[in-house]
Order: sequence, then C-alpha cells, then structure tokens
Amino acid sequence: EAGVAQSPRYKIIEKRQSVAFWCNPISGHATLYWYQQILGQGPKLLIQFQNNGVVDDSQLPKDRFSAERLKGVDSTLKIQPAKLEDSAVYLCASSLTSGGSEQYFGPGTRLTVT
Amino acid sequence: QQQVKQSPQSLIVQKGGIPIINCAYENTAFDYFPWYQQFPGKGPALLIAIRPDVSEKKEGRFTISFNKSAKQFSLHIMDSQPGDSATYFCAASYNSGGYQKVTFGTGTKLQVIP
Repeated sequence: EAGVAQSPRYKIIEKRQSVAFWCNPISGHATLYWYQQILGQGPKLLIQFQNNGVVDDSQLPKDRFSAERLKGVDSTLKIQPAKLEDSAVYLCASSLTSGGSEQYFGPGTRLTVT
Repeated sequence: QQQVKQSPQSLIVQKGGIPIINCAYENTAFDYFPWYQQFPGKGPALLIAIRPDVSEKKEGRFTISFNKSAKQFSLHIMDSQPGDSATYFCAASYNSGGYQKVTFGTGTKLQVIP
C-alpha cells in the first residue's frame, strides 16, 4: 500500500512570496489533515477535510492560508503572502474514517521563509 | 482545556533502560490516546494507542499506562535500543460533530546510548 505522498520536500522562499504544497493521501482514505509543525513542537492541525468538505479549519490563518481538496482525493495548501513565522514543516495525513482511526502521515514539506 | 502537556522535553537512557514519557490532559471528553514516533526527516507514525476503558496496553516493547482519574497517561519502552532514538508525541482526541479533534503534545526527544 503506497503511503501519503507530499511535494515538494523542501522549499525556500522570501517573505511576502506565495507557496503551494501538494498532498496525495492513501487511496480510499476519506479524511485528510494538514498540520504545521514548528521546530521543537508537536504538530498543530490547520485544516481537516472529510471527503472534499472542510470539517475543521478553526486554526487556519485564513487571511493568508487556503486549502482545497479536489474530488475528495488530492489536496493543496497555499500560503500567500508568506511571513517569517510560517517557517515550519507542513505535514499531510490521512485516515480511513474521521472517527478515531489511525492517521498516516506523509514525510512533510520543510518551508523556510527568509 | 484542549492542551496535552508532555514531559520531559528530552531524555537520554542507556541501552536496555526503560524510558518513561508522561502526558497529562484536562478535557474529559478525550476518548482516544495515541502515541506517535517520529524520526528526523519523516512524518510521525502511530506506535500504540489506548482508549480510556483500559488501564494498560502492551505492544511488543511498548506499553501505555493510563490513569483516568488523574487524567494522565504514559509510554514505557522496555529494553530500549539505539534504534528507538526518535521524538515521541502523545496525542488525545475526542469526537466532535462526527469527526475526531486531535491535539498533540509538544514531543520528547529520546536518545538511547549504546
């Protein structure tokens, strides 16, 4: 079974630029999560999709972050414009259902904003 | 109330030792308590999980102890090996509106010395 795929793995941008991350979850997984992991901290949930609908985006900075999940499969997370404090690893995870099942994480995208 | 407090921040043990990582929570609605293991450059991977109806769960060398009245749970690694050197995150989740809301601890960096 293929795991969660993410790209790019690394990205360096200047502040005020825009950036997009892509995630392909495990086939058949209905729930998709985007997390932000700042160095030395635990993952912080940004947004959670159930199929292609958003079920939780309470911690997403909506003035600069946006995400979509097309056709309930792949997802993109965008930051526009980026700030220095957005430097972090962005993790995508998926789970079979939304009801307490195991989350499978991708390798993450390490973003550096200079 | 959504926080999960994790300690210690870092831990060094000798091979064969039994590192113990502790987590505490406040929200009594939490009903699923997973532990994740993360190696550098990788996403977290589920190690073991427990629900509050049991006080202990073992899987191989990993044991979760759960104290519902104290609202605490801990991870014990028996006969620790250098390959166990990683960052460990506890997490807690509860069902809200049909989906799980997950909160991660801040992580414990474990180093097992040969």
